[in-house]
Amino acid sequence: GAGVSQTPSNKVTEKGKYVELRCDPISGHTALYWYRQSLGQGPEFLIYFQGTGAADDSGLPNDRFFAVRPEGSVSTLKIQRTERGDSAVYLCASSPSGGGGGELFFGEGSRLTVL
Amino acid sequence: RKEVEQDPGPFNVPEGATVAFNCTYSNSASQSFFWYRQDCRKEPKLLMSVYSSGNEDGRFTAQLNRASQYISLLIRDSKLSDSATYLCVVINPLTYKYIFGTGTRLKVLA
Repeated sequence: GAGVSQTPSNKVTEKGKYVELRCDPISGHTALYWYRQSLGQGPEFLIYFQGTGAADDSGLPNDRFFAVRPEGSVSTLKIQRTERGDSAVYLCASSPSGGGGGELFFGEGSRLTVL
Repeated sequence: RKEVEQDPGPFNVPEGATVAFNCTYSNSASQSFFWYRQDCRKEPKLLMSVYSSGNEDGRFTAQLNRASQYISLLIRDSKLSDSATYLCVVINPLTYKYIFGTGTRLKVLA
């Protein structure tokens, strides 16, 4: 289908390693969001892109987290020096336009486990 | 105070029951509100938008109370298939980020 695609679906890594998570949004969607969800919690906002620029990155927990969207389509969430507390499901969502109150379409998520 | 707050539940109700959830928000300037549904180990999906005048979609009714800063979701004639987590979502009016509540778990029992 033409939904939001996230890779990898599962990633197990060791503490201290570097991880990249990829999100391929629905074609034509200008807004892209990253969330992190831990068990029993709602999705926690990380960062939101409008086109190529980060419109709001206030949810990134610290400078180990970084995200890019160089061509306004695919986005990569990068986590340096991973810690056990980074273990969660990382969800990506896209929307036809940001700020318009449109529906968010989510990918199936990338489950990150840091040992 | 959290921007969006929900009772995490769980709400265990028999089939056919009517159940209601509330969600409070802290930013009085917020204009856009939604309910999303999330099944176990799946991604969230839009259930319905919440309009100022309230809206209904089959067995589901959503309402907004601006004075008290809360939104509600009412489910009538509950089905087993309604068992899920219901997430309240509010759009921050300055940055347009979508803020999710912790979700309310519903379990409909046979």
